Amino acid sequence: AQSVTQLDSQVPVFEEAPVELRCNYSSSVSVYLFWYVQYPNQGLQLLLKYLSGSTLVESINGFEAEFNKSQTSFHLRKPSVHISDTAEYFCAVSGTGGFKTIFGAGTRLFVKA
Amino acid sequence: DVKVTQSSRYLVKRTGEKVFLECVQDMDHENMFWYRQDPGLGLRLIYFSYDVKMKEKGDIPEGYSVSREKKERFSLILESASTNQTSMYLCASRRGRDSLWNEQFFGPGTRLTVL
Repeated sequence: AQSVTQLDSQVPVFEEAPVELRCNYSSSVSVYLFWYVQYPNQGLQLLLKYLSGSTLVESINGFEAEFNKSQTSFHLRKPSVHISDTAEYFCAVSGTGGFKTIFGAGTRLFVKA
Repeated sequence: DVKVTQSSRYLVKRTGEKVFLECVQDMDHENMFWYRQDPGLGLRLIYFSYDVKMKEKGDIPEGYSVSREKKERFSLILESASTNQTSMYLCASRRGRDSLWNEQFFGPGTRLTVL
């Protein structure tokens, strides 16, 4: 079985500052890892995913996440955030031998002017 | 543009009513999912379906049932709504029978209030 822990429920940050949203997972099997974003009044949409290969994955809007197997982490980072990045971010894991995707509790990112 | 649509954005029902939440996807996806989203709990899987007329229980199926008569449509049914079923309900679909690595596409959600 897999589980996901997002260590921060809310992260306030000023515009143009760097941010890190933390995610740890547990699993007894190999995993695929995802970050989804939910903008206000919308459904979730995929931000980026790690399947295999390079441990650093990037999104088209400047976010990146690094898979760290030894620390079982998949933290999301952005060097300079914008007001438009205000949203809820969900880390998710799928075990390579299973069917379900397990989601974390979410982290609300507030970007202030 | 791929799309998952849900029949209602907001719904208010009374305790004991039978409630139907409808979800339609236009991507010919095999897999469809119903989640509920609650603050501090993230998304929890209620039911999923990997083919027409096939369904599997998720982590919190109690009080819910589902129906998938056509590939594009997946319905969530609350047989007798209760106040603890007040929540945001999200439908999602995913390509491929076993394609865990494929992303899920989500609908906009239905915010259900049971009075």
